[in-house]
Amino acid sequence: NAGVTQTPKFRILKIGQSMTLQCTQDMNHNYMYWYRQDPGMGLKLIYYSVGAGITDKGEVPNGYNVSRSTTEDFPLRLELAAPSQTSVYFCASSQRYLRTSGIYEQYFGPGTRLTVT
Amino acid sequence: GQQVMQIPQYQHVQEGEDFTTYCNSSTTLSNIQWYKQRPGGHPVFLIQLVKSGEVKKQKRLTFQFGEAKKNSSLHITATQTTDVGTYFCAGPDSGYALNFGKGTSLLVTP
Repeated sequence: NAGVTQTPKFRILKIGQSMTLQCTQDMNHNYMYWYRQDPGMGLKLIYYSVGAGITDKGEVPNGYNVSRSTTEDFPLRLELAAPSQTSVYFCASSQRYLRTSGIYEQYFGPGTRLTVT
Repeated sequence: GQQVMQIPQYQHVQEGEDFTTYCNSSTTLSNIQWYKQRPGGHPVFLIQLVKSGEVKKQKRLTFQFGEAKKNSSLHITATQTTDVGTYFCAGPDSGYALNFGKGTSLLVTP
């Protein structure tokens, strides 16, 4: 199993450009997440999905969009890139949530390092 | 909303010294998870604690969950250079996601 894969690894965007960050998992996980990580700020949740066709906003969704047409793929779309979106983006997946023991461990992809200038 | 706070933000130790990072939540947690992120890498799951007062060990790492399930700690005995990285705690939010603390960055000098 490849686990969670992300493309591209690095990208430089100009202000106002758009792009899609790709995320694919081959573990048949229902839950998928997008985080951004800024230096010293931990991980902030952008969007998440509990299954194909179902997405919901996280803590910092503004400027981003997602879709989940298959179990495997969870792309993140940046429209009109801004310097504030310069960050490292991580995609993660996990098994289904169990109320009795909480959320299963999350498996992270290698990340996409994005610079907006 | 729920906040998960970690202290200290940074810790610099000599190899062989012990290290502890603390995690505190503003609300009671059903469980808490710990992750490690090596420099330039991605977070990797270490462990999940579920029960009040639970203690789990992984070789030199000891994880504790407080009796009130509002705090947790990670203690590393006799640090090694391979322990370098940032350690995050994370608790479930009101939905289906995790709230991550800001992490404690550990630097170990030989």
